[in-house]
Amino acid sequence: DGGITQSPKYLFRKEGQNVTLSCEQNLNHDAMYWYRQDPGQGLRLIYYSQIVNDFQKGDIAEGYSVSREKKESFPLTVTSAQKNPTAFYLCASSGSSGAQETQYFGPGTRLLVL
Amino acid sequence: KQEVTQIPAALSVPEGENLVLNCSFTDSAIYNLQWFRQDPGKGLTSLLLIQSSQREQTSGRLNASLDKSSGRSTLYIAASQPGDSATYLCAVFYQGGSEKLVFGKGTKLTVNP
Repeated sequence: DGGITQSPKYLFRKEGQNVTLSCEQNLNHDAMYWYRQDPGQGLRLIYYSQIVNDFQKGDIAEGYSVSREKKESFPLTVTSAQKNPTAFYLCASSGSSGAQETQYFGPGTRLLVL
Repeated sequence: KQEVTQIPAALSVPEGENLVLNCSFTDSAIYNLQWFRQDPGKGLTSLLLIQSSQREQTSGRLNASLDKSSGRSTLYIAASQPGDSATYLCAVFYQGGSEKLVFGKGTKLTVNP
């Protein structure tokens, strides 16, 4: 079954802690994306990667970091520098850079601060 | 600024009604426009993608149109069902540098039995 998986479904962060959200896809897609969704707001792009070992900042990259060591994996780390991390985080992928392609989304991770 | 606006923010209709959701965008230089569905607490599901050169796309009871000159798209849902209740998001892939989708805030649809 092809698709995108995100884990965990819920994640709790303590003050000053870094946490990592997992995103894995078996669609053989080149491009992967991380979005943040807040209540009543549209999705905002955090980071994206068009190819292995390369990634670019989106609109709200401050306080976040990513890596793309494997084609199928694009983990997102929420660092202690992100002062308002509570949100719903969505990972997506597409066949190429996305200009002509549909983006496929994972089920999301909800991050809460203790 | 490249933006996407969806009005209304929420819509409630009785079952069986045909309905239209609206999306407007600020720049006609686009690659494509996409409609997504999101159920509460879930990820997004792609419904329709309209390329810049196309005027409409259809899938089952859904029909999406694109008018670049006016900066508008509509999603038409025929014979609505309670299972259609969800938030519908419009997203535009603008040309001109930034390789990203710009999302509207969505329209929350409730179809009452």
